[in-house]
Amino acid sequence: EVVMTQSPATLSVSPGERATLSCRASQSVDKTLAWYQHKPGQAPRLLIYGASTRATGVPARFSGSGSGTEFTLTISSLQSEDFAIYYCQKYNNWPWGTFGQGTKLVIK
Amino acid sequence: QVQLVESGGGVVQPGMSLTLSCAASGFTFSNYVMHWVRLAPGKGLERVAVIWYDGSSKYYEDSVKGRFTISRDNSKNTLFLQMNSLRAEDTAVYYCARDTAMIDGYFAYWGQGTLVTVSS
Repeated sequence: EVVMTQSPATLSVSPGERATLSCRASQSVDKTLAWYQHKPGQAPRLLIYGASTRATGVPARFSGSGSGTEFTLTISSLQSEDFAIYYCQKYNNWPWGTFGQGTKLVIK
Repeated sequence: QVQLVESGGGVVQPGMSLTLSCAASGFTFSNYVMHWVRLAPGKGLERVAVIWYDGSSKYYEDSVKGRFTISRDNSKNTLFLQMNSLRAEDTAVYYCARDTAMIDGYFAYWGQGTLVTVSS
């Protein structure tokens, strides 16, 4: 079973600065990696799939990179609405669906 | 537009049962694999069950296997999650989520969630 590990658990960043979130898989998942943003009381939002492809409507300040076991979500210039919890998810083989434990992005 | 609306959550005692529903609209429901994902207090997202587009295949995470049953009624565009023998650790917001058209395994569409609280 592939385990997804996100770091750090909490990231404190000032608005306008860059945020870098990491996700590591216990074994290779190629590029079958998605990132989601989740705010309290809302539905999770797909940001990135295929490790680096932005979903429809996602601002260009969000970018994903990596393959195999190491992945990164970068938010280039944090806006107030970006402070949320971010999850990675691998989906390389049935039954898919394994999420990391999340990184909480908070205002510094 | 795609809409997923969950219902059926509430407060139940340990050992009791509850059935969640997810009403889908804005797409051809019968063409999509569907998932239930939960978010427990202080924890991360956990996909608990998935059902093939025609109901022919289902999968459950170990944490709910033998207690939860996922099903769907394609004639009514509705997804269900029957939850039996509920435990305190099943307390969570439960989301239904739609897979992609190519059954890639990630979720572009989610409902707003329904809260299940298991407490005596």
